[in-house]
Formats: sequence, structure tokens, C-alpha cells
Amino acid sequence: DAMVIQNPRYQVTQFGKPVTLSCSQTLNHNVMYWYQQKSSQAPKLLFHYYDKDFNNEADTPDNFQSRRPNTSFCFLDIRSPGLGDAAMYLCATSRDLRTGNEQYFGPGTRLTVT
Amino acid sequence: AQKVTQAQTEISVVEKEDVTLDCVYETRDTTYYLFWYKQPPSGELVFLIRRNSFDEQNEISGRYSWNFQKSTSSFNFTITASQVVDSAVYFCALSEVSNDYKLSFGAGTTVTVRA
Repeated sequence: DAMVIQNPRYQVTQFGKPVTLSCSQTLNHNVMYWYQQKSSQAPKLLFHYYDKDFNNEADTPDNFQSRRPNTSFCFLDIRSPGLGDAAMYLCATSRDLRTGNEQYFGPGTRLTVT
Repeated sequence: AQKVTQAQTEISVVEKEDVTLDCVYETRDTTYYLFWYKQPPSGELVFLIRRNSFDEQNEISGRYSWNFQKSTSSFNFTITASQVVDSAVYFCALSEVSNDYKLSFGAGTTVTVRA
């Protein structure tokens, strides 16, 4: 059974048109992460939530926002997508933050910007 | 500076051959964790193994084995008798106390297993 679910799997948006990607988890983990992965590159952490505490990476553009309304769901909002934002977006969860727990990843949402 | 180095960009083998993926890491922390993830063409990153810095025991899981050597800061991964389903990108990652346990990924090694 899927433990980290991402919807949709493929998303096409127009340049400058806001888009929201969704992630849900059935693991009841405290931490949820969003990563951006461009072709042939390693995943790059955008931000994470530890429970309700939001932690933004220093180099994450302001164009990227996130919401976590409850333990199970987390959203990635891209306010004005540019062509350079086309990528795979991966959601991950871990049980806790300060014990080096493994992260469990969803299948990703591949975003295309036209 | 790159904290995790995967020197091999691509490896191509014929089915049933063994393949070893190298991973070298850099940290000043005494407590840290090392991971391997597999990313098949479908895109999902699959967790394979987690190792803490105090446990240098090698591990074997089926056709997979891992060799952790603190003396050389290496955490290498071997697939024995490779199969076509092993074709994927494999990422080594480091999690450090000093970096709030965030994952620092290597660049990944693409493994192609030919029938």
C-alpha cells in the first residue's frame, strides 16, 4: 500500500500560472519534505515541516511556498512558475528530525511549464 | 564543497555480473548516518539502507551488500549477480547532526544492466 502519495503524477502549467502540488502520507510521520529534482541531478531540498514548524532552505526562491494543514497532508505552491521550474517534485517523510531517520519518498510529480 | 562523492557517473554491465558503486563522504561530525537510495525510471526514490557512524559492520541483504569503512570515509554498495530490474540511478546520501540531519546527496550513479 502506498505510504507517501503525490498527486497529480504529471502536471502541466502555463508560464506564470500558479500551481499546487499535493502530498499525503499514511505513516503518521512528524516530518514532511519537498525536494526539487531536475534531469540527471540529485534531489535538492526546498523546505520541510517538522510538525507545524516550517523550515525554508536559504536558497529556495520566494516563488515556492508550502502549507501543511494537518499531519497527513502537505502542499507545494508555485506562485508564478517559470520555465526553469520544470522538474520532478518529490515529497518525503520521516518519523523524526533529530535521529537520522530514513526518509520515505513519494513517486513524485513531474511538472512541465509551457 | 561536495560532501558526498559518487565518482562513477554511469556503469553498464551484462546481467549476472557484479557491480560495485563507490561512495566517499566528508564530515567533521562524529555522529552521522549514511544511506543508499534507488531511483528506478518510474522516479520514486526507494530507501535501501541506513548506517550510523558507530556501526561499521558490513551488511548483506539478498543480492545487495554494503561495505562501510570509516578509515577511508567510504560506504560502497555491491549488487551481486545483477538483473535487468536493478537498472536505476543509485544515490548515496549523508545525514549529519551539524546539518540538522538533512540529506546531502551524491550526484548519483546510473546503472544499466543489459540482458
